[in-house]
Amino acid sequence: TQLLEQSPQFLSIQEGENLTVYCNSSSVFSSLQWYRQEPGEGPVLLVTVVTGGEVKKLKRLTFQFGDARKDSSLHITAAQPGDTGLYLCAGGGSGGSNYKLTFGKGTLLTVNP
Amino acid sequence: EAGVVQSPRYKIIEKKQPVAFWCNPISGHNTLYWYLQNLGQGPELLIRYENEEAVDDSQLPKDRFSAERLKGVDSTLKIQPAELGDSAVYLCASSPRVTGELFFGEGSRLTVL
Repeated sequence: TQLLEQSPQFLSIQEGENLTVYCNSSSVFSSLQWYRQEPGEGPVLLVTVVTGGEVKKLKRLTFQFGDARKDSSLHITAAQPGDTGLYLCAGGGSGGSNYKLTFGKGTLLTVNP
Repeated sequence: EAGVVQSPRYKIIEKKQPVAFWCNPISGHNTLYWYLQNLGQGPELLIRYENEEAVDDSQLPKDRFSAERLKGVDSTLKIQPAELGDSAVYLCASSPRVTGELFFGEGSRLTVL
């Protein structure tokens, strides 16, 4: 069973601050996805990373996949109240019919105005 | 384009009663997932369909849970009888391919009294 550990579990910051959340595993993933979920809604995909060492930017969000494809980080610059939500990472396992997407438990981010 | 549609949004039942959830995926998406999400946790896979075939139901508690995806489009998830511990949000997601982005519905929140 592939497990993903996300840290911190909870994070409360002031508007304008920077933050980094982490997603770690002892397993290698073929890909890693980051989702954001707002209260009462389903998760929405932010990014998919597939190559070790890959860095992707989405406005103020920077995603990095670890060189060994076992971990990932999400950095938010100058956080805004609209960034509030549950950030979930999901690792993709082997391909074909055995493909599995495993979710972490998430980081609940609150950005206070 | 319409997203993933789930119903009902909310359901309150007494324990030992049956309950059913319905999901209409995005048109053309062959892969359909049912997830269970407890408060503050990440989604946990219950079952994955490729067209009408359940290719991964290893996490589905088959003594009380059942699912079907007739004609490879809509899907229903049933619980009979419901237990107190089944209170959670049941998320449906679809994807254009096995390793692709998941598009989630808003979820069905179940409360078992």
